[in-house]
Amino acid sequence: AQTVTQSQPEMSVQEAETVTLSCTYDTSESDYYLFWYKQPPSRQMILVIRQEAYKQQNATENRFSVNFQKAAKSFSLKISDSQLGDAAMYFCAYRSAVQGGSEKLVFGKGTKLTVNP
Amino acid sequence: DGGITQSPKYLFRKEGQNVTLSCEQNLNHDAMYWYRQDPGQGLRLIYYSQIVNDFQKGDIAEGYSVSREKKESFPLTVTSAQKNPTAFYLCASSIYTHQPQHFGDGTRLSIL
Repeated sequence: AQTVTQSQPEMSVQEAETVTLSCTYDTSESDYYLFWYKQPPSRQMILVIRQEAYKQQNATENRFSVNFQKAAKSFSLKISDSQLGDAAMYFCAYRSAVQGGSEKLVFGKGTKLTVNP
Repeated sequence: DGGITQSPKYLFRKEGQNVTLSCEQNLNHDAMYWYRQDPGQGLRLIYYSQIVNDFQKGDIAEGYSVSREKKESFPLTVTSAQKNPTAFYLCASSIYTHQPQHFGDGTRLSIL
């Protein structure tokens, strides 16, 4: 079974600075997807960024980028120019790309990010 | 606007009572999911359905039941067999082609 580990329960960053959230995963599959979701105090889960395992290029969405290291099974999220609205719980998630699979998401336990003004 | 609607936002259950959480989507997605979120635990999969009239157990299905009679609806029943139902419940859906899952706003269930 696949597992996702987020080793930082809490992180803090100064406004306008850069922060990196860590995520490692364990799988025997070669084809899969990785995601970062954001959960603000409103509790809605918002997709931040997505990475396909077969792509070597790291995904980028505006101020959000990932460092995907497939061999190391590492998938960190970098937030540049942090804003107060970035404060939230961040969840790393894994999903198999095996044909006929369940497509269920396996989540880490989350990292709470605080942004200080 | 297309999206996922969960209701109610807050729900209270008495001892021995079954309660049903509603999840409706108008995104024309084939797959739907129910997750449970506890503090410090992240999200865990309860049940999922990839097609109408079919569903599979997730990692923590005991004490829960679901139905999928319509493509747009996937209600979750928390039965009296679920001894610790207090949690935040999230419903999600996705097109059945490895696309990202979209989430509803959740239902918070508490015991009276």
